[in-house]
Amino acid sequence: AQTVTQSQPEMSVQEAETVTLSCTYDTSESDYYLFWYKQPPSRQMILVIRQEAYKQQNATENRFSVNFQKAAKSFSLKISDSQLGDAAMYFCAYRSPGGSEKLVFGKGMKLTVNP
Amino acid sequence: EPEVTQTPSHQVTQMGQEVILRCVPISNHLYFYWYRQILGQKVEFLVSFYNNEISEKSEIFDDQFSVERPDGSNFTLKIRSTKLEDSAMYFCASRDAVQGPLEAFFGQGTRLTVV
Repeated sequence: AQTVTQSQPEMSVQEAETVTLSCTYDTSESDYYLFWYKQPPSRQMILVIRQEAYKQQNATENRFSVNFQKAAKSFSLKISDSQLGDAAMYFCAYRSPGGSEKLVFGKGMKLTVNP
Repeated sequence: EPEVTQTPSHQVTQMGQEVILRCVPISNHLYFYWYRQILGQKVEFLVSFYNNEISEKSEIFDDQFSVERPDGSNFTLKIRSTKLEDSAMYFCASRDAVQGPLEAFFGQGTRLTVV
């Protein structure tokens, strides 16, 4: 079974600075998808960014980018120019292709943004 | 923008009572999911539903749980006899399995409190 590990339970960053959230996963599959979800205090799960494992290019969405290292099974999220609204829980998630395609989540990491 | 909607946002129930959590997935989506998040813990997969039947369920999804798509729009999760440990945030999600984005879209969640 696939597992996702987020080893840092909490991080903080100064507004306008850059922060990197780490995530590792364990799988024997070669094709899969990886996601970062954000959960603000409202507790809704909001997709931040996704990465297809077959793509070598790292995904980027505005201030959010990933560093996908397939061989190392690492999928970190970089937030540039951090904003107060970025404060939230961040969850890394893995999805296998085919089947029900359920998401397997890490434990999450709480990001605090200091003004 | 289409979104997944869940009702109610918060439900308080007495232990042993039955509850039904309701979800309206995005209209053209084909895969439907329920996830659970106990306070302070990670999001856990409960069940996936496709083509009017369960496609996968987790160990958590025991006989006290059931899902139904009673009409073309609603997707419900029923807990027959609630226990204190069922207190959690329950998220519904849906995904377009044929085309469109790869990710699942989540509702805002239903906070279930069992007393």
